Amino acid sequence: AQSVSQHNHHVILSEAASLELGCNYSYGGTVNLFWYVQYPGQHLQLLLKYFSGDPLVKGIKGFEAEFIKSKFSFNLRKPSVQWSDTAEYFCAVNSAGSGYALNFGKGTSLLVTP
Amino acid sequence: EAQVTQNPRYLITVTGKKLTVTCSQNMNHEYMSWYRQDPGLGLRQIYYSMNVEVTDKGDVPEGYKVSRKEKRNFPLILESPSPNQTSLYFCASSSSGKGSYEQYFGPGTRLTVT
Repeated sequence: AQSVSQHNHHVILSEAASLELGCNYSYGGTVNLFWYVQYPGQHLQLLLKYFSGDPLVKGIKGFEAEFIKSKFSFNLRKPSVQWSDTAEYFCAVNSAGSGYALNFGKGTSLLVTP
Repeated sequence: EAQVTQNPRYLITVTGKKLTVTCSQNMNHEYMSWYRQDPGLGLRQIYYSMNVEVTDKGDVPEGYKVSRKEKRNFPLILESPSPNQTSLYFCASSSSGKGSYEQYFGPGTRLTVT
């Protein structure tokens, strides 16, 4: 079965620090990859997604992610975080082989301190 | 405004008392899904629907029922709720259940079963 691993469960950063959140998946076939964000008390919103083409994907609010097929990874990055980036971040994967069910990682809680 | 709505947003109930959480989308989406979110476990899919009258089990379907009689609505039914169903529930929809389509999430329903 397909699985998604997020390495960091809790991350605390100061404003202006750089961010990298790890995501690895287990499926070896063609995949679609997503990062969703959940701000406190709100619903999930799509940050960015990858399905083909340039492996470096740019999303909203200055976030980007790089798909490295050989490492089964899709890490999320932001050069300089802001207090408003405090949120929970979820990596998710789907594939034709799994009937396109969207499998989520367990999430990473990011706290940005002023 | 394109959106997914859920009702109620908060619900406290007792063990065994049947309840329904409604979900409605106004984007003419074919695909709809229910997830539950629990601390440290991320989001897990309960049921999904690829189209009207087509539903299927997700990863954690036990204790839940769904129906899809109309394209816009996808209610989640708990026939006999138990305390282990205390959770935060999200409904989501997308244009299609296949491929890299973004899922749009509702605001969530926080359910407590005593």
